Amino acid sequence: EADIYQTPRYLVIGTGKKITLECSQTMGHDKMYWYQQDPGMELHLIHYSYGVNSTEKGDLSSESTVSRIRTEHFPLTLESARPSHTSQYLCASSEYTTEAFFGQGTRLTVV
Amino acid sequence: SQQGEEDPQALSIQEGENATMNCSYKTSINNLQWYRQNSGRGLVHLILIRSNEREKHSGRLRVTLDTSKKSSSLLITASRAADTASYFCATDAGGTYKYIFGTGTRLKVLA
Repeated sequence: EADIYQTPRYLVIGTGKKITLECSQTMGHDKMYWYQQDPGMELHLIHYSYGVNSTEKGDLSSESTVSRIRTEHFPLTLESARPSHTSQYLCASSEYTTEAFFGQGTRLTVV
Repeated sequence: SQQGEEDPQALSIQEGENATMNCSYKTSINNLQWYRQNSGRGLVHLILIRSNEREKHSGRLRVTLDTSKKSSSLLITASRAADTASYFCATDAGGTYKYIFGTGTRLKVLA
């Protein structure tokens, strides 16, 4: 069973609010990822990290930011939420040549 | 743009039948992976095939890889209603070790 956790599981928040989606893993993986997925749609990589103090933007432009101060923690922040940010956000981690382990996701609704 | 495209986009079969889904990708890879996603939840890893492998089996799953055609297929034999899910292929996009997902195939197995 994967030891990667996302909180909150669901979040409904008003426009303009600042939010942080949490992601933590206990497997000691160097690589971590954030994906955005609309219902029934493909996953888009929005951020990834190769290790502490390493973050890169993914293939889909996103207004969110990430940080990697500790190996186990990879939070995603939206400074000012908008309805267009409504989506599911999936966090994952992996070693370099092995499978990725996913959290259960955070379903964000901005009203 | 996404690294992988899968077809068909949706597949509906009877229990006991085999299900085949295909994935095409664009750049060179170190490995290709298949994942399963149950209705809006996190993804679960099914199988990984390395670029120097041509076929791999795991239980009822059979994966093939043709690097000359940049394509892979996933075969699920003797399908069950519990196999109903979305299936995604993922590649490490040109050996960068950031995992890029395909568009997914939605499989429905009718009891």
